[in-house]
Amino acid sequence: GDSVTQMEGPVTLSEEAFLTINCTYTATGYPSLFWYVQYPGEGLQLLLKATKADDKGSNKGFEATYRKETTSFHLEKGSVQVSDSAVYFCALMNTGFQKLVFGTGTRLLVSP
Amino acid sequence: DTGVSQNPRHKITKRGQNVTFRCDPISEHNRLYWYRQTLGQGPEFLTYFQNEAQLEKSRLLSDRFSAERPKGSFSTLEIQRTEQGDSAMYLCASSSEIGKNTEAFFGQGTRLTVV
Repeated sequence: GDSVTQMEGPVTLSEEAFLTINCTYTATGYPSLFWYVQYPGEGLQLLLKATKADDKGSNKGFEATYRKETTSFHLEKGSVQVSDSAVYFCALMNTGFQKLVFGTGTRLLVSP
Repeated sequence: DTGVSQNPRHKITKRGQNVTFRCDPISEHNRLYWYRQTLGQGPEFLTYFQNEAQLEKSRLLSDRFSAERPKGSFSTLEIQRTEQGDSAMYLCASSSEIGKNTEAFFGQGTRLTVV
């Protein structure tokens, strides 16, 4: 079945450091790919998405590119802030289905 | 619009008891989803409604679980004869199939503890 694998955390960075959180997927067909973020005490929020190969999703300084050849959707940000501390989930939704398949989440801790 | 609302936020129950959770989606959304999230894991899909019709159910949804969306608005998720393994965060999400933005919006969840 479809699955998402993302790097284990926590990822601990200093403010203004470069962030990469790796995500790879296994799916039949051509899924859409997503990054969701969960801030402490809040619900999941969509951060960015990409619906086809080579698409780049971006939001709030975060970017991820849909790489079909490597089945990856790595999340990057050039300069993290303390306020970016949260749990980040990579997810996919396969064509014709309405369910999201999530990875296990990666906790990001940014210190001043 | 206040977003997706879930009640209660926390529920502690004794093993063997029945519990019911409620989800109020964003008003114009016709799609509603239930997910379950255990500690250290990502959310797992449980079931999906389009209007009042339950169109998909995960194999995770055992016979003790039932979900309804009687008028295509709010939804309830009931767990009968709760077990300790049911302890988890239960998440509800809603989305619209109309227009360009079909993003799923999540509620804050109901945390269930079975003792």
